[in-house]
Amino acid sequence: EVQLVESGGVVVQPGGSLRLSCAASGFTFDDYAMHWVRQAPGKGLEWVSLISWDGGSTYYADSVKGRFTISRDNSKNSLYLQMNSLRAEDTALYYCAKERSEALAFDIWGQGTMVTVSS
Amino acid sequence: SSELTQDPAVSVALGQTVRITCQGDSLRSYYASWYQQKPGQAPVLVIYGKNNRPSGIPDRFSGSSSGNTASLTITGAQAEDEADYYCNSRDSSGNHLGVVFGGGTKLTVL
Repeated sequence: EVQLVESGGVVVQPGGSLRLSCAASGFTFDDYAMHWVRQAPGKGLEWVSLISWDGGSTYYADSVKGRFTISRDNSKNSLYLQMNSLRAEDTALYYCAKERSEALAFDIWGQGTMVTVSS
Repeated sequence: SSELTQDPAVSVALGQTVRITCQGDSLRSYYASWYQQKPGQAPVLVIYGKNNRPSGIPDRFSGSSSGNTASLTITGAQAEDEADYYCNSRDSSGNHLGVVFGGGTKLTVL
C-alpha cells in the first residue's frame, strides 16, 4: 500500500524548534520530489517546501525561508522538516506529499501531524 | 510570490453541473492541479495536467484551462462531492520551482 505517515507534531513555545518526519512506503521513494504543505485550523492549504528526488535542490515559501529546512534520507525512505524560530502563525496541520513525476500534482498525502506554537 | 484566486463558496443542485474556477498569472505558463478535501481528511488529487484523472476519480470530474483561468467541472454533482476544492500550480513569480495554492472553494450540493 502506498502510504505517507507524518510524525513529530507537538505543542512548542514561540521561538522553539521541532523536527517533523514523514515515513514513505509502497513506492520507490527516491524517484520522486517531495513536499511539505500546511493547513492552519479552519484555513486553506499553504505550500511550505519542496525537495528534489536526490535532495540536491530545495525551495521554500517566503513565510518559512531561513527558519525551516527540508531534507530527506533515501536510504530510510524518509522526509524531514526542521523547524526553528517557531511563531504562533506556524500553528498548523503539516502534511507531507509526493509529487507526480509528470506534473506538478501531489498524488499521495499523509494524514498530517499537528504543530501548535503557544506559550 | 504568485497568487491563485478562487471563489470562496459555490453551490449546485444535486445532479447538475458546476464549474469551480481558479485565476492567476502562473496559469498562463503552468497547468493547475485540483484537490478535494472533506472535513477531517487529507486532500485528494482529482485533476492534474491538461485534464487527467488519477485512478479511482469518477469521470464526472474534468479540468480545462484558458488564459489565466483554470476550471474544474463536475458534471452531475453527487452528494459526496460536497467538499472544499483547491487548485495549485507552479509559482511563476521568480521562485520558479515554488508552488502556490488557491484559497479554496467550498462546494455545497443542494
